[in-house]
Amino acid sequence: DTAVSQTPKYLVTQMGNDKSIKCEQNLGHDTMYWYKQDSKKFLKIMFSYNNKELIINETVPNRFSPKSPDKAHLNLHINSLELGDSAVYFCASSQGIKTGEQYFGPGTRLTVT
Amino acid sequence: GNSVTQMEGPVTLSEEAFLTINCTYTATGYPSLFWYVQYPGEGLQLLLKATKADDKGSNKGFEATYRKETTSFHLEKGSVQVSDSAVYFCALSSGSETSGSRLTFGEGTQLTVNP
Repeated sequence: DTAVSQTPKYLVTQMGNDKSIKCEQNLGHDTMYWYKQDSKKFLKIMFSYNNKELIINETVPNRFSPKSPDKAHLNLHINSLELGDSAVYFCASSQGIKTGEQYFGPGTRLTVT
Repeated sequence: GNSVTQMEGPVTLSEEAFLTINCTYTATGYPSLFWYVQYPGEGLQLLLKATKADDKGSNKGFEATYRKETTSFHLEKGSVQVSDSAVYFCALSSGSETSGSRLTFGEGTQLTVNP
């Protein structure tokens, strides 16, 4: 049983395209996150949702738009992709808004050419 | 703001060697501290945690103690195995009911254990 799953695992696309990454968790958690890991392995939070409500929105270009249709799903849509968007994107979830004990998905490697 | 600093890698050890990965932090208030591990091609997994000063987190032979006086949370293991080869991330968590919890990660330390 996969706790936090993401699709697709790999995504190769051209500059200017629009793409989406999907995330689902079956842990019954209330809170979900998107992180970006750059080529040097540095991880930074992008967004967080709690019970479908946006609670963390870091300084991310507005080309990135998260959507949470329900507590178990958090999708990330990216418009007008740029070379600098190439990275690994991780979804995570946690039980509750205050805990740092988070469960991560396997990641989506996005390559923009 | 909050920050986490880890010792620079990569770290290469022989099997059964002693491991220390240093981690120091800067934070307001009383954060919780974590070590996460990322195996090749996978997402991060929680390795251990400590939620208050002097707490010791431990798991799979790894240990780390929350030292408030030195603002440190160094990771140690007495005898590493080849299967421990991975990237290790120190992290702190801070937040509130209104602002939400966010993990601040260190730079990550690549560990390679040779047979």
